[in-house]
Amino acid sequence: EIVLTQSPGTLSLSPGERATLSCRASQHLSSRYLAWYQQKPGQAPRLLIYDSSIRATGIPDRFSGSGSETDLTLTISRLEPEDSAVYYCQQYYSSAWTFGQGTKVEIK
Amino acid sequence: QVQLVQSGGGVVQPGGSLRLSCVVSGFTFSNYAMHWVRQAPGKGLEWVAVKSHDGSSEYYSDSVRGRFASSRNNSKNTLFLQMSSLRPEDTAVYYCAKEVGVAGAVGGLDYWGHGTLVTVSS
Repeated sequence: EIVLTQSPGTLSLSPGERATLSCRASQHLSSRYLAWYQQKPGQAPRLLIYDSSIRATGIPDRFSGSGSETDLTLTISRLEPEDSAVYYCQQYYSSAWTFGQGTKVEIK
Repeated sequence: QVQLVQSGGGVVQPGGSLRLSCVVSGFTFSNYAMHWVRQAPGKGLEWVAVKSHDGSSEYYSDSVRGRFASSRNNSKNTLFLQMSSLRPEDTAVYYCAKEVGVAGAVGGLDYWGHGTLVTVSS
């Protein structure tokens, strides 16, 4: 099983600041096979990025994904109050998909 | 528009069984692999299972393999998750979700059901 480790656990930033979320894989995986999701309390997850760097339909361009085979990054370039949520990475390189444990983004 | 409507959750005793359903509309169901993802109360997301677009293949997480079975009826646009030998640690909100890519061209999960709560307790 591919284990994804996200850091930091919590990120507390002000509106307009840049958020950088990390996702490290336990083994090499093609950087293509990674997605990022946003989840707000009481809601289903929302796909932000797939194939490592492709924004899903309707996702603002302040969200971007990048990285290599084991180290992937989600960047929110200019935080807005509605970006307060938990963010998860997910790999689909192996048949058994896995999620990271999540990073909580708090807006001051 | 795309909709995934879930049903079948509830309270079940340890060792019991339950079947979840996910009825979809707004896209060609038979073209897409479908997944189950769960979330225990206050915890993160856990991938559970996938059923290929044509029903020919499926994969499960280690935690549910041998106890859960996913099936689909493409003529009725419905995905199922049959859960048996349930344990308290299976208590979670269960989501069905659609893959981005057609016929196994993977790319994440772009549409999700609203979730249904399964509680395993005596």
